[in-house]
Amino acid sequence: QLQESGPGLVKPSETLSLTCSVSGDSVSSLNYYWAWIRQPPGKGLEWLGRIYYSGRTSFNPSLQSRLLSSLDTSKNEFSLQLTSVTAADTAVYFCARGSSAAGGALHVWGQGTKVTVSS
Amino acid sequence: SSELTQDPAVSVALGQTVKITCQGDSLRSYYTNWYQQRPGQAPALVIYGENNRPSGIPDRFSGSRSGGTSSLTISGAQAEDEGDYYCSSRDSGGDHAIFGGGTKVTVL
Repeated sequence: QLQESGPGLVKPSETLSLTCSVSGDSVSSLNYYWAWIRQPPGKGLEWLGRIYYSGRTSFNPSLQSRLLSSLDTSKNEFSLQLTSVTAADTAVYFCARGSSAAGGALHVWGQGTKVTVSS
Repeated sequence: SSELTQDPAVSVALGQTVKITCQGDSLRSYYTNWYQQRPGQAPALVIYGENNRPSGIPDRFSGSRSGGTSSLTISGAQAEDEGDYYCSSRDSGGDHAIFGGGTKVTVL
């Protein structure tokens, strides 16, 4: 199970911080990677990036300069930071568990957390 | 190209078969995964690695690929199959996932 947590409301130009708590699996497992995806209101899914058990990250090139991610193995959770947010970052943010096997499918998703960017 | 193209919407009569397509050059090199998103819910994986169903997914869902086009077929569509369906694969460099724009399926 995955559960996102976040602030709900963020002011423009600030940094959005999200956490995904993982239960039933270990974020240190070599079998998985941990991903973030978002969905603006009424729109489709957008891949944000992923973090591997080693801490290596891979981000959407269009957002790479604004994204950071980390693992906390002691809490079995991973996090995402998005800097300099604007209204265009308003979306539901999902965390997911991906398979390290070929295809890299996202087998388990969190329920999502809604983030609104507004002053 | 690192884009995946889907038809915006399709409809199918209850019990009939519908095919949802996804086009993109990267599909020639990388596996396609398919996700179902019912209204107000998180996406859920229905097909991975071209034609594998996760446990709990009915066998009326199947996947296939021909060249740069992948397809998700629902054979004998049910009312609960209504929702948005997204294909996903990797970009041309292989390191980043990409999603199609989604296809809204309506069961009549």
